Amino acid sequence: SQQGEEDPQALSIQEGENATMNCSYKTSINNLQWYRQNSGRGLVHLILIRSNEREKHSGRLRVTLDTSKKSSSLLITASRAADTASYFCATDGGTSYGKLTFGQGTILTVHP
Amino acid sequence: DVKVTQSSRYLVKRTGEKVFLECVQDMDHENMFWYRQDPGLGLRLIYFSYDVKMKEKGDIPEGYSVSREKKERFSLILESASTNQTSMYLCASSGLARVGQFFGPGTRLTVL
Repeated sequence: SQQGEEDPQALSIQEGENATMNCSYKTSINNLQWYRQNSGRGLVHLILIRSNEREKHSGRLRVTLDTSKKSSSLLITASRAADTASYFCATDGGTSYGKLTFGQGTILTVHP
Repeated sequence: DVKVTQSSRYLVKRTGEKVFLECVQDMDHENMFWYRQDPGLGLRLIYFSYDVKMKEKGDIPEGYSVSREKKERFSLILESASTNQTSMYLCASSGLARVGQFFGPGTRLTVL
């Protein structure tokens, strides 16, 4: 079952702008992760935020987590054309062996 | 550089054929996963394995089986391929630390 719902489904911006993607989920989590997928390729892990954390940074990425609202956001600052990809959130419910439930993803297009 | 490899990038099979998709990881990970990815449906978990010879069903196991005879290798088997199994198949692995999954490049399977 798909727990994560991502918003927007598609986002189109100009290079240099910031991109914000949102993810909502339904059940309690151990951690929430964000992945990137370039067209026709496998997913690449970007960042993980644990349930007791509220914000995390990695380079141009900023992730927030609000467990009371069961939502997370991914902010990419100063976007580049190379950031064009699909972005997925995935929740780890803390049960079996690191099993993840993925959202349906946001397609980000960054125009040069 | 850590790696998850999949035996084929593209595969075309006929309805009724038995299909083997192979996945190998070089990170000594305990957990391995098979997903399929379809437009509008995101990633859905087919099966996963947490140890050699151990397996558990994911969300959509029907029509599939798996084999894990060695720690580094996890095979997905389509006993009798059908056209509705045309999809992108992604393999992933993760360790005990639950810091994210590493994905292979994917196999795009077409069943005619």
